[in-house]
Amino acid sequence: AQSVTQLDSHVSVSEGTPVLLRCNYSSSYSPSLFWYVQHPNKGLQLLLKYTSAATLVKGINGFEAEFKKSETSFHLTKPSAHMSDAAEYFCVVSLYNFNKFYFGSGTKLNVKP
Amino acid sequence: DVKVTQSSRYLVKRTGEKVFLECVQDMDHENMFWYRQDPGLGLRLIYFSYDVKMKEKGDIPEGYSVSREKKERFSLILESASTNQTSMYLCASKTRDTIDTQYFGPGTRLTVL
Repeated sequence: AQSVTQLDSHVSVSEGTPVLLRCNYSSSYSPSLFWYVQHPNKGLQLLLKYTSAATLVKGINGFEAEFKKSETSFHLTKPSAHMSDAAEYFCVVSLYNFNKFYFGSGTKLNVKP
Repeated sequence: DVKVTQSSRYLVKRTGEKVFLECVQDMDHENMFWYRQDPGLGLRLIYFSYDVKMKEKGDIPEGYSVSREKKERFSLILESASTNQTSMYLCASKTRDTIDTQYFGPGTRLTVL
């Protein structure tokens, strides 16, 4: 069975401070892992993906995530938050060889001036 | 750029009506998906299709059906709309490559009165 747990439903940071959005997964297979972002009234956009290559994955807009198999985690980080990062973020896991994607419940990031 | 379009951004229907939501992609993707998005639940897969006229149930198919008569178009049908189907509906497409990204449409916010 597969599942994705996003540990925080809301995260609030000040502009210029680091961002950490936490994601844990469970999977019986080697997973593919993704982070998507959804800005208000916009569709989902891929930030980054892990597909069994390098464990540290760099994405768009300065985001990165590290796959830690021992901790079954795929946390999303950014060194310095920008106001435009305010959005909802989804961690997603996919089985290899299948086309089913399991979404976490989402984390809303608020960035304070 | 990949483009996934959905027929309506906002839709209001009455209980018992038959509702059609249409999705069109312009990248010749084999796989297409319908999700519903509810606060605190993330995205849940309703149905997906891996080829013309082929479909598979997702996690919450009850009350829905789908149609894929052409490769670029994937329709979601609510046979008899109910108030608990009030939600945001998102369509996505991707290639058959298992590690490829899903591309999402902007969503249709459906309200059933």
